[in-house]
Amino acid sequence: EPEVTQTPSHQVTQMGQEVILRCVPISNHLYFYWYRQILGQKVEFLVSFYNNEISEKSEIFDDQFSVERPDGSNFTLKIRSTKLEDSAMYFCASRPTVFEWFFGPGTRLTVL
Amino acid sequence: GQNIDQPTEMTATEGAIVQINCTYQTSGFNGLFWYQQHAGEAPTFLSYNVLDGLEEKGRFSSFLSRSKGYSYLLLKELQMKDSASYLCAVSEGNKLVFGAGTILRVKS
Repeated sequence: EPEVTQTPSHQVTQMGQEVILRCVPISNHLYFYWYRQILGQKVEFLVSFYNNEISEKSEIFDDQFSVERPDGSNFTLKIRSTKLEDSAMYFCASRPTVFEWFFGPGTRLTVL
Repeated sequence: GQNIDQPTEMTATEGAIVQINCTYQTSGFNGLFWYQQHAGEAPTFLSYNVLDGLEEKGRFSSFLSRSKGYSYLLLKELQMKDSASYLCAVSEGNKLVFGAGTILRVKS
């Protein structure tokens, strides 16, 4: 069964450093998403991506964040200058045209 | 905007039935989802309601009333492995918006 994959599973970085989180969505899906979950809190929407552009973003997704689909398979989330409060689980998700979201296993980002 | 409310924690006994409620207010509604999430893992899909009524899937059932902005997830024949967080989520436009989740503890 096809699945969304994410790398790395755990990323540790120093405050102020740039990080890139990688995702490979399911191949025939059209919509791609990033969500984050701070420890003990709810899963929060960050951004959705469709037809090679951002279709919607939340207030959390400020100028420090960017997304790219550099080739036909990868979908990346970049945080330019990490802050302590960026420490969270980051989940990538994709879906086909129907409303069925498939989540990746997540990347745990720890900012020191 | 959206507001999704569900109880913070529930405890139930192995073999019993538990109902987890969810109320929501949203400006656009395409459906209501229930996910299960174990600590440190991704949410996994349990059920989806777009029309009013009950959807049954094995030990899990989910109910939706769109006029009341209300849903519940029913878990039957509880097992210890059902101890997890249960997330109510509303499909709004092209995105999924999650509630804070209900931590379910199953005791023997």
